[in-house]
Amino acid sequence: KQEVTQIPAALSVPEGENLVLNCSFTDSAIYNLQWFRQDPGKGLTSLLLIQSSQREQTSGRLNASLDKSSGRSTLYIAASQPGDSATYLCAGPSGGGADGLTFGKGTHLIIQP
Amino acid sequence: DAGITQSPRHKVTETGTPVTLRCHQTENHRYMYWYRQDPGHGLRLIHYSYGVKDTDKGEVSDGYSVSRSKTEDFLLTLESATSSQTSVYFCAISDISGANVLTFGAGSRLTVL
Repeated sequence: KQEVTQIPAALSVPEGENLVLNCSFTDSAIYNLQWFRQDPGKGLTSLLLIQSSQREQTSGRLNASLDKSSGRSTLYIAASQPGDSATYLCAGPSGGGADGLTFGKGTHLIIQP
Repeated sequence: DAGITQSPRHKVTETGTPVTLRCHQTENHRYMYWYRQDPGHGLRLIHYSYGVKDTDKGEVSDGYSVSRSKTEDFLLTLESATSSQTSVYFCAISDISGANVLTFGAGSRLTVL
């Protein structure tokens, strides 16, 4: 059974800093990993999907990497802005097939102006 | 949340009453999911569907039933609501089994008094 852990649970940094959010998973047979953003009281917005063959994916100031051998993924946010404040969730396939994703509990990020 | 509509968005009910949440999609995706999100637990899968009339249980299915009579609708029913079912419920859809690239609805907040 896939288990996903995110560290840290919460993070508060000044605006402009570069930061890294960590995600670890137990099933090294993972074939992709998805990062989501969730604003308070809102649904989940997909940020990046990394296929195991890609190892890395970029979108604007966001860069996500995937290392299956170590069971880790990182989300790098460059030049953070107050608008980046949200909860960031990572998720991997629960077991293949149609049974959805297993989620970490998220990192609650606050960017101080 | 384009293409996925959850209703109702907010509901307050009393213990012991039946509740049905509806997820409607216009994307013609085959796979649909119901998750619940709770503080300290993150997102957990309740039930999922891999086609019309084809459903299966997730991690926290006790006390819940689902039905899918049409591709576009996936209903989640609490036959007799309990206070432990107070939560935010999210519907998600996917068109590619195994890839598990999920798109989420805006959520339904249920309070059971």
